[in-house]
Amino acid sequence: DVKVTQSSRYLVKRTGEKVFLECVQDMDHENMFWYRQDPGLGLRLIYFSYDVKMKEKGDIPEGYSVSREKKERFSLILESASTNQTSMYLCATWSGGPYNEQFFGPGTRLTVL
Amino acid sequence: AQKITQTQPGMFVQEKEAVTLDCTYDTSDQSYGLFWYKQPSSGEMIFLIYQGSYDEQNATEGRYSLNFQKARKSANLVISASQLGDSAMYFCAMRPVWDNQGGKLIFGQGTELSVKP
Repeated sequence: DVKVTQSSRYLVKRTGEKVFLECVQDMDHENMFWYRQDPGLGLRLIYFSYDVKMKEKGDIPEGYSVSREKKERFSLILESASTNQTSMYLCATWSGGPYNEQFFGPGTRLTVL
Repeated sequence: AQKITQTQPGMFVQEKEAVTLDCTYDTSDQSYGLFWYKQPSSGEMIFLIYQGSYDEQNATEGRYSLNFQKARKSANLVISASQLGDSAMYFCAMRPVWDNQGGKLIFGQGTELSVKP
């Protein structure tokens, strides 16, 4: 079974802090994704990575950056957290193949005060 | 632009009854996949069912089936014999088969289903 873990389930940070959200997968998947989930908006893609050290912007990359130094680990970084980044953050992996589903981590609920 | 629309923010269903969750999509691609996910209050996204655009038969997985109407661009999820554990948020999502976005999924807004005993 694919296992995707995220470093925290709940996180509270202050405005201006640098925040790291970490995602680790154990199934050797090439592709990893960071989504943000907000009520009424569904999930929106922030960044994705299709290989180590490779990253691409998604639909809402502003205010975020990512790092993928190892295949199994994909980190989302909020350089200077703001209150409008209070949200649920979900990491996902994908083995490739258009008919295959993405596997999601348990999510991190981030509150920025 | 590709888009998924779920017009039902919330729905109620009586336990043991069937329920249909609506999903319409907009795409100019000929080849695409449609996915449904369940998100319980715990937050994790659970994959339920997949339908390919060229599949002639509607997909089924246990109590879940997908009512796929390609001409209408709809991919409604049908849950038969609802159970209390089906109470959750449900998301419809789409992926073009040939895309340059690394396989990203495009999600709808979600439908919150509540199953009443």
